[in-house]
Amino acid sequence: NAGVTQTPKFQVLKTGQSMTLQCAQDMNHEYMSWYRQDPGMGLRLIHYSVGAGITDQGEVPNGYNVSRSTTEDFPLRLLSAAPSQTSVYFCASSYSSPWETQYFGPGTRLLVL
Amino acid sequence: SQQGEEDPQALSIQEGENATMNCSYKTSINNLQWYRQNSGRGLVHLILIRSNEREKHSGRLRVTLDTSKKSSSLLITASRAADTASYFCATPRGSFQKLVFGTGTRLLVSP
Repeated sequence: NAGVTQTPKFQVLKTGQSMTLQCAQDMNHEYMSWYRQDPGMGLRLIHYSVGAGITDQGEVPNGYNVSRSTTEDFPLRLLSAAPSQTSVYFCASSYSSPWETQYFGPGTRLLVL
Repeated sequence: SQQGEEDPQALSIQEGENATMNCSYKTSINNLQWYRQNSGRGLVHLILIRSNEREKHSGRLRVTLDTSKKSSSLLITASRAADTASYFCATPRGSFQKLVFGTGTRLLVSP
């Protein structure tokens, strides 16, 4: 199993550009989530999904969209990038619920100029 | 806002020494989890301890949970340079019990 994979590893955007961060898992996990990690802030939950077709907002959802058309994939879309979105983004998954052990991807480092 | 807060923020020790880091939280929990993050990498799950457990071991790791004090500790015995990483506690919070992470303890183990 590849586990949780994320692409790209690193991306530079200009303010106002849009992009999609990809996340995929091959463990047949129902629950998936996106976090951002900023220095001194720990990890903050952006969006999560409890299964295909079901998504909800986390702690810091503004400026981001998600969709879950399949169990395997959970892409995160930046609609109009802002410098405040410069961060490291992690995708995570668990078998069925958010309070279980989470399996994290390697992260995407995003720089918005 | 963080549910768990780790202490200390940074810890520097020599190889062979024990490392202890603490986590405090504010509301009742059904479990508490510890994760490790090596520099530039994703988080890796270490241990999950449930609210009805007081202590749990995994190899050189020992986790305790004191629900009356709303605190947990992670002990790494006989530290190695490879243990250098950031360590985070995480607790479920809110109506859907989503995991909330603390800001982490940075551990440096010198040879």
